[in-house]
Amino acid sequence: NAGVTQTPKFQVLKTGQSMTLQCAQDMNHNSMYWYRQDPGMGLRLIYYSASEGTTDKGEVPNGYNVSRLNKREFSLRLESAAPSQTSVYFCASIPRGGAQSYSTDTQYFGPGTRLTVL
Amino acid sequence: AQSVSQHNHHVILSEAASLELGCNYSYGGTVNLFWYVQYPGQHLQLLLKYFSGDPLVKGIKGFEAEFIKSKFSFNLRKPSVQWSDTAEYFCAVIPFSGGYNKLIFGAGTRLAVHP
Repeated sequence: NAGVTQTPKFQVLKTGQSMTLQCAQDMNHNSMYWYRQDPGMGLRLIYYSASEGTTDKGEVPNGYNVSRLNKREFSLRLESAAPSQTSVYFCASIPRGGAQSYSTDTQYFGPGTRLTVL
Repeated sequence: AQSVSQHNHHVILSEAASLELGCNYSYGGTVNLFWYVQYPGQHLQLLLKYFSGDPLVKGIKGFEAEFIKSKFSFNLRKPSVQWSDTAEYFCAVIPFSGGYNKLIFGAGTRLAVHP
């Protein structure tokens, strides 16, 4: 049981390049999240997916797109990378899903992807 | 806007010293509260969480936190820190609005424990 996995671990891009960050979980969780972590700002929610086939914007969605490919996988795409997107990106999941509030569920985090945009 | 404030960005302690990390949130309604820890090179892990009941919550590795509703606070404590507690600590809140499960994180506190 690997939990939440992310690839790649490190990535360097040039401004304007595109790339996709991959996230997968093997815990049969329904909801998945993408966060970015910046020094002095904690983690901020980019997008989330309450169930397979649904996605919603979080606090900082601009410049990103997501795909919930299936129940296991939730990818984050940068179409045209900018230096402001230099950050550490974390994926997370919780067991339950749907439109209701499951605010008692613990979020399980992946190891992160450190992205640098030059 | 809803926010979470962690008062100390960096804390340096010697082993066996006592630890208290402050956390305040701005949401006025019902909240669920969490402390996460990120050890160097590792992903975030849950330390403890509070939903209801006894406001003094005990977590893993000897950590505890106290919810004081009147002060909108959820401070993390440990009586005697160890070198292995060196990590970054995040306070997080989920406002219970009937909407979706969204964690709001504080900026984090970096703790360095010297032998």
